[in-house]
Amino acid sequence: AQSVSQHNHHVILSEAASLELGCNYSYGGTVNLFWYVQYPGQHLQLLLKYFSGDPLVKGIKGFEAEFIKSKFSFNLRKPSVQWSDTAEYFCAAPRDNAGNMLTFGGGTRLMVKP
Amino acid sequence: SQTIHQWPATLVQPVGSPLSLECTVEGTSNPNLYWYRQAAGRGLQLLFYSVGIGQISSEVPQNLSASRPQDRQFILSSKKLLLSDSGFYLCAWRWTGVNTEAFFGQGTRLTVV
Repeated sequence: AQSVSQHNHHVILSEAASLELGCNYSYGGTVNLFWYVQYPGQHLQLLLKYFSGDPLVKGIKGFEAEFIKSKFSFNLRKPSVQWSDTAEYFCAAPRDNAGNMLTFGGGTRLMVKP
Repeated sequence: SQTIHQWPATLVQPVGSPLSLECTVEGTSNPNLYWYRQAAGRGLQLLFYSVGIGQISSEVPQNLSASRPQDRQFILSSKKLLLSDSGFYLCAWRWTGVNTEAFFGQGTRLTVV
């Protein structure tokens, strides 16, 4: 079964700093990957997703992620963070080829200082 | 468009009391439905999922149960709450498939006292 891990549990950045959050997956077959964001007091929402094709995926609010198959990684990036990016970020992938459920990483709490 | 409703938003219950959290989805049919629990620093733990009416799969043996009495209704229950049941519970829906995203409700903050 696929598993997803996020190694950065807490990240603190100043505004305008660049962001990279790590995500690694375990299964090396066909991979579909997602990044979700949860802003304070809000529900989880999709930032971006990768199914196939261009390994560099653009998402909402200036976020992007790069799928690197050789590294089993799907890191989330943003060149210049804003205070409003303070949130918790989750990486996810289908747990198996049946696609009945998504498995999530442990999450990364990002705090951006104004 | 599809919407997902989850209630209540917050709940404080005494130990030993029953629990019923409800989730409904509108605007789609035969969705897969999920209950997750979110704990600080531990991500999203899948508790139950359902691919159809009356079909429930349990991921983690515990004091909770789930039911799907109607196509777009998913209920999380307990007969007797424990302190350890406190947490943030999320309902979600998605279509079956490896490339389909999940859509989440607003969540229920449950505090067992």
